Amino acid sequence: SAVISQKPSRDICQRGTSLTIQCQVDSQVTMMFWYRQQPGQSLTLIATANQGSEATYESGFVIDKFPISRPNLTFSTLTVSNMSPEDSSIYLCSGTDRLNTEAFFGQGTRLTVV
Amino acid sequence: KNEVEQSPQNLTAQEGEFITINCSYSVGISALHWLQQHPGGGIVSLFMLSSGKKKHGRLIATINIQEKHSSLHITASHPRDSAVYICAVRPTGNQFYFGTGTSLTVIP
Repeated sequence: SAVISQKPSRDICQRGTSLTIQCQVDSQVTMMFWYRQQPGQSLTLIATANQGSEATYESGFVIDKFPISRPNLTFSTLTVSNMSPEDSSIYLCSGTDRLNTEAFFGQGTRLTVV
Repeated sequence: KNEVEQSPQNLTAQEGEFITINCSYSVGISALHWLQQHPGGGIVSLFMLSSGKKKHGRLIATINIQEKHSSLHITASHPRDSAVYICAVRPTGNQFYFGTGTSLTVIP
C-alpha cells in the first residue's frame, strides 16, 4: 500500500498571505484529491488533482483561491491564497491506486489564519 | 442531505469498556473506510472494507452491504483511543463522502 506524506502538519498564517501544502506519495497513485474540513464540519472535496492538467474543482471552489498542481503521479500541492480567518480548516489529500482498489490519506494540515 | 450518517456524535466511555460506532450510508459504494483523527488534526486510515469484517488489534470493523451499514468496535478501550472516528464511503467514482465524525473520549 502507498504512504502519503503531507506537509506541513500545521501552520499559523497571517491573513492576506498564501500557504502551499504538499503531498508526496511513495508510489504512483492514479487519482489524487484535496479535501477541506471546516471546524465542526465533515470533510468536503475541494478538487481532483489531474496529472499534467488543470484540476477539476467542485462547486464553491475556484482555481484562483485554491490553485493545485500535480506535475507527476507521486506529488501534488494545494495553495490556499489570500487567506482569511474563514480559511482556518484542516486540509487533507488522498489518493487511489492504479487499480482503483485502495485509497490512501495524508495526515492532514491544520491551518489557522489570524 | 448527507450521504453518510454516523452515530453517536459524541461518546464518553470508561477505560476497558467495549465501544461501538455506527455508520449508515445512502449510496451504493465500492469501499468504506474508517479513519481516526487525532486531537492535533492528523488523520490515519484504520480500515478499508468492501465486505465482511476486519480486525486489527483491539479494533474490529464490519460492513453489511445490503443494509448499507458499518460498525467500528473497540474492545478494552484505553484513553489513547480518544480521537474522532470518521466513516468515509466511496461510490463507484473516485471521491469520498465523509461522515461528520464521532468524538470519543475514554476516561481512565
